[in-house]
Amino acid sequence: EVQLVQSGAEVKKPGESLKISCKGSGYSFTSYWIGWVRQMPGKGLEWMGIIYPGDSDTRYSPSFQGQVTISADKSISTAYLQWSSLKASDTAMYYCVRHSGRSGDYYFDYWGQGTLVTVSS
Amino acid sequence: QSVLTQPPSVSEAPRQRVTISCSGSSSNIGNNAVNWYQQLPGKAPKLLIYYDDLLPSGVSDRFSGSKSGTSASLAISGLQSEDEADYYCAAWDDRLNGPVFGGGTKLTVL
Repeated sequence: EVQLVQSGAEVKKPGESLKISCKGSGYSFTSYWIGWVRQMPGKGLEWMGIIYPGDSDTRYSPSFQGQVTISADKSISTAYLQWSSLKASDTAMYYCVRHSGRSGDYYFDYWGQGTLVTVSS
Repeated sequence: QSVLTQPPSVSEAPRQRVTISCSGSSSNIGNNAVNWYQQLPGKAPKLLIYYDDLLPSGVSDRFSGSKSGTSASLAISGLQSEDEADYYCAAWDDRLNGPVFGGGTKLTVL
């Protein structure tokens, strides 16, 4: 059974750093792009970027380029999303998603349960 | 402002049929497949329809998708109370080189 299991909720102060994780199981972790989707409180879904764990090729949405870093450790089938200096506007639910389908025309067939990040002074 | 346009809300009575529209452009829906996601209250989204009209295993055939030009639709027949959720359309965008979403449609079953 394919599963994406994310790390737990975080409460941070502005300016602090953070790294959240997403562990994949039940499939070949290195053979699928895995990405991150943000959902701000009461708002819709926004794609942040993706990584191919097989070779660490990483792509970012222009809206998030330079704001976050996506990485992966294929030895433990885990992808990461990190911030070096959090802002209150980073408060959101973050989902990791497995990308499936044709190259350049993906859909998200599996979602993690979400990690709630709260940034408040 | 989402790249794909959906109505903010729709409502219909139980056992009836409802459709949710999704409008885009030639760089996304016009040239790539449309996918739909269902987000039940307090839950992570779930894949509902992929590649315009295909149902993942386990998804009820009361759900169906269609596409024409730069617009797509999700239809739900035989509405049930458990269908109350937010529904999002998405499509790969050739200019972004990544997926774009609609703003989401909240379905209320009256």
